[in-house]
Amino acid sequence: QQQVKQSPQSLIVQKGGISIINCAYENTAFDYFPWYQQFPGKGPALLIAIRPDVSEKKEGRFTISFNKSAKQFSLHIMDSQPGDSATYFCAAGSGTGRRALTFGSGTRLQVQP
Amino acid sequence: SAVISQKPSRDICQRGTSLTIQCQVDSQVTMMFWYRQQPGQSLTLIATANQGSEATYESGFVIDKFPISRPNLTFSTLTVSNMSPEDSSIYLCSVFSHTNTGELFFGEGSRLTVL
Repeated sequence: QQQVKQSPQSLIVQKGGISIINCAYENTAFDYFPWYQQFPGKGPALLIAIRPDVSEKKEGRFTISFNKSAKQFSLHIMDSQPGDSATYFCAAGSGTGRRALTFGSGTRLQVQP
Repeated sequence: SAVISQKPSRDICQRGTSLTIQCQVDSQVTMMFWYRQQPGQSLTLIATANQGSEATYESGFVIDKFPISRPNLTFSTLTVSNMSPEDSSIYLCSVFSHTNTGELFFGEGSRLTVL
């Protein structure tokens, strides 16, 4: 599977702060970049996704920034809340052929009250 | 979104035994994916299950260890055979959204502990 590199491995943020998680990919055929949120004991849930025709997508407090030339994308969580404490996975996929996603290694976010 | 039900949700198994995990989807889907998530790790694709054909396995996974069935468009099973403690993981079933947006939905997972 093509690799997707994610950093940091863990992140501690104060309530109200900004959480930033970064990912980089290699395969230029990827054209779909979702972020998943996973709480303990639960399956991953789609949080937000972007396609490479836009450089930014915002949904509420969550924003994806996408840099096609650098093959990088990031998740920004504004006004982080304790309820955001979870593991976040970036992923990449190719819409053509409908292949399964390749996931990053995950970031464990802890938002302190 | 797709509703995906997995059974069992968790189990404790003895070394050398086999366990079959069931995945039921609330709509007909062409492809179903099985992922493994080892403790504290990311998701790794095991195989893609298409109805009416043999499953396609990723590098490092073989049919003898992880046989898959796909009898119809809403159901699949994954068997973990001859288990060892290294097989202790969460096994996740997933499908694409039927709206063709590329969204991948996951079941809650089956947490297996092998003693």
